[in-house]
Amino acid sequence: AAGVIQSPRHLIKEKRETATLKCYPIPRHDTVYWYQQGPGQDPQFLISFYEKMQSDKGSIPDRFSAQQFSDYHSELNMSSLELGDSALYFCASGRGSTDTQYFGPGTRLTVL
Amino acid sequence: AQKVTQAQTEISVVEKEDVTLDCVYETRDTTYYLFWYKQPPSGELVFLIRRNSFDEQNEISGRYSWNFQKSTSSFNFTITASQVVDSAVYFCALSEANAGGTSYGKLTFGQGTILTVHP
Repeated sequence: AAGVIQSPRHLIKEKRETATLKCYPIPRHDTVYWYQQGPGQDPQFLISFYEKMQSDKGSIPDRFSAQQFSDYHSELNMSSLELGDSALYFCASGRGSTDTQYFGPGTRLTVL
Repeated sequence: AQKVTQAQTEISVVEKEDVTLDCVYETRDTTYYLFWYKQPPSGELVFLIRRNSFDEQNEISGRYSWNFQKSTSSFNFTITASQVVDSAVYFCALSEANAGGTSYGKLTFGQGTILTVHP
């Protein structure tokens, strides 16, 4: 069965640079969620989209922005990167706002 | 605010032992969803089970079973006859409605329990 696709899988950036993470949901899933998982931590909710509209927002820094496109894929844009942004970033998708969330493999971002 | 507590930080067992992972949650909502996810060393998050707040039936799936008790706000997970491949971090998670009551998507995770199964 098709799964959530995230790209890139690994990303290395310097401080103050920008990064764009992409997420392609499972076919026919209309909801996308972004989570950040620091080393040894549990995943923290950042933001979600349902039918291309923002549906909920968590502890997402103002330096980050995200959107969901007409084909339901989503991008997380991160600017002025800081060392503390180094983490595993997960995208999850589901059908509607109450469905189970299925997670992608994650993007490991390292900020040097 | 919602909260999930997994009091067991690490558990170590020998293969074929049974093991129970505890999960206690806090929420003010009457409608909510509970989940368990597995994170193996490879890093991905694998969905295991989802229960809604109105369904207290326990569930068994192969060697896995879940015990949901609203009276104690607990959703415990038992692995019977554990295997080395069960070694992973296990997360319990809770979702409840957002401020506008229009979405139940945001997951709040517990701190995770690291399970190590020795041969």
